[in-house]
Amino acid sequence: DAGVIQSPRHEVTEMGQEVTLRCKPISGHNSLFWYRQTMMRGLELLIYFNNNVPIDDSGMPEDRFSAKMPNASFSTLKIQPSEPRDSAVYFCASWTSYNTGELFFGEGSRLTVL
Amino acid sequence: GESVGLHLPTLSVQEGDNSIINCAYSNSASDYFIWYKQESGKGPQFIIDIRSNMDKRQGQRVTVLLNKTVKHLSLQIAATQPGDSAVYFCAENMRNKIIFGKGTRLHILP
Repeated sequence: DAGVIQSPRHEVTEMGQEVTLRCKPISGHNSLFWYRQTMMRGLELLIYFNNNVPIDDSGMPEDRFSAKMPNASFSTLKIQPSEPRDSAVYFCASWTSYNTGELFFGEGSRLTVL
Repeated sequence: GESVGLHLPTLSVQEGDNSIINCAYSNSASDYFIWYKQESGKGPQFIIDIRSNMDKRQGQRVTVLLNKTVKHLSLQIAATQPGDSAVYFCAENMRNKIIFGKGTRLHILP
């Protein structure tokens, strides 16, 4: 299995631009999570989906952030417009088992907003 | 506020010694407590978890202890090796929502 695949691995953009991060979960996994990691705030859960339906988006910072999961094999996290404080590593993770803790993470997308 | 946190940001251990990484939590309703390891430039990787009704679980060279009385979780790594150098996160599973603490960086001294 290829694992969770994220793209792009690195993105540098200017303030005000739209950013789209992509994730392909492990085949057969029915839950998908988006996290943001910074030195100051650690790993923050932004949103998670179960069977393609958003379950909890309380971690999404503001309306500039949106996430979609149109099918079981693809999800996007969009920031529009981007701001320098959005600079972080964004991780996608997936799992299939309830009541356990083994999330499978992608390698992350490092975003720098200038 | 944050429900799961770690006592120390950095821990240095001599190679071959045992490492103990500690974590305090505040949410008694969590179903599972989990430890993850994150190496530089990579995503977190699952190490071991423990159900909330257990107090000890062992894996390969790792042991997790859960003390519900004082809401404390620890990860013990036996015979620490250079490859154990990483940031370790405790996390909790609250109804299938995984919340992470801020992490402890483990340095291995030669």
